[in-house]
Amino acid sequence: GAVVSQHPSRVICKSGTSVKIECRSLDFQATTMFWYRQFPKQSLMLMATSNEGSKATYEQGVEKDKFLINHASLTLSTLTVTSAHPEDSSFYICSAGGQGIQETQYFGPGTRLLVL
Amino acid sequence: AQSVTQPDIHITVSEGASLELRCNYSYGATPYLFWYVQSPGQGLQLLLKYFSGDTLVQGIKGFEAEFKRSQSSFNLRKPSVHWSDAAEYFCAVVLTGGGNKLTFGTGTQLKVEL
Repeated sequence: GAVVSQHPSRVICKSGTSVKIECRSLDFQATTMFWYRQFPKQSLMLMATSNEGSKATYEQGVEKDKFLINHASLTLSTLTVTSAHPEDSSFYICSAGGQGIQETQYFGPGTRLLVL
Repeated sequence: AQSVTQPDIHITVSEGASLELRCNYSYGATPYLFWYVQSPGQGLQLLLKYFSGDTLVQGIKGFEAEFKRSQSSFNLRKPSVHWSDAAEYFCAVVLTGGGNKLTFGTGTQLKVEL
C-alpha cells in the first residue's frame, strides 16, 4: 500500500520557538493532505485540509497564523507550529489522499511534540 | 448533535475469542463509514469501509463490519482474535457533501490476553 512518512517522529522544543513537521507521500502523489491533532487517549481532530498549490482550509477554532501549512508539491506538506506553547504539546498526524470521498487516505505515523 | 460514538473505551478479550467493537453515528443522512486501526509507531490503517450496497463488509486481517441503518450502527467484528490485533480502533465517517473529511470516534483500546 501507499506509504506516508512524517519527520520528525518526536520533537522537544522550548516555549516560544517554532517547529516544522514534514509529511511526505513516498510512492504516490497526493493532491490533498490532511493534518490532525490527537490528544492523549482521545480521538483525532481534523485541523486543516491542504491542497497542492493552494491555501489550506482550516477547521473552525484552528488558528491559521499559529499552525502554518504549506503544500508546495504533490508529495510534501509541512505544518509549522509557530511560537509554540506547552498547550500545543500533542500528537500531530498527517494523511494523504485525494479529494474524492472514495479515495482512501493514507496516514503517517505521527509526530509527538512536547513544548517545555 | 452530529457525532460518532464508540461506547467502549477499553475492551479485553482472550486470544481466539470473538470480538465486536461498537460504533454508532448520529447524522441526518447515512454517512460513509470507516474503521481504522492505530498501532504504536505506525500510521492509522484502513480496515474496511462502507459506501453503499451489501451491508456486510469484509476487510483486511479477517475483520468485517455490518451496517445497520435502523440502529445507526457500524460494528466491527472478528471471529477469532490474535494477539497482534491489540491496538486502538477508530470508527470514522465522511458526510455526504463533506469532501473527504473524516470525523473520528473516540476510539476503543483493545487488549488481547494470551
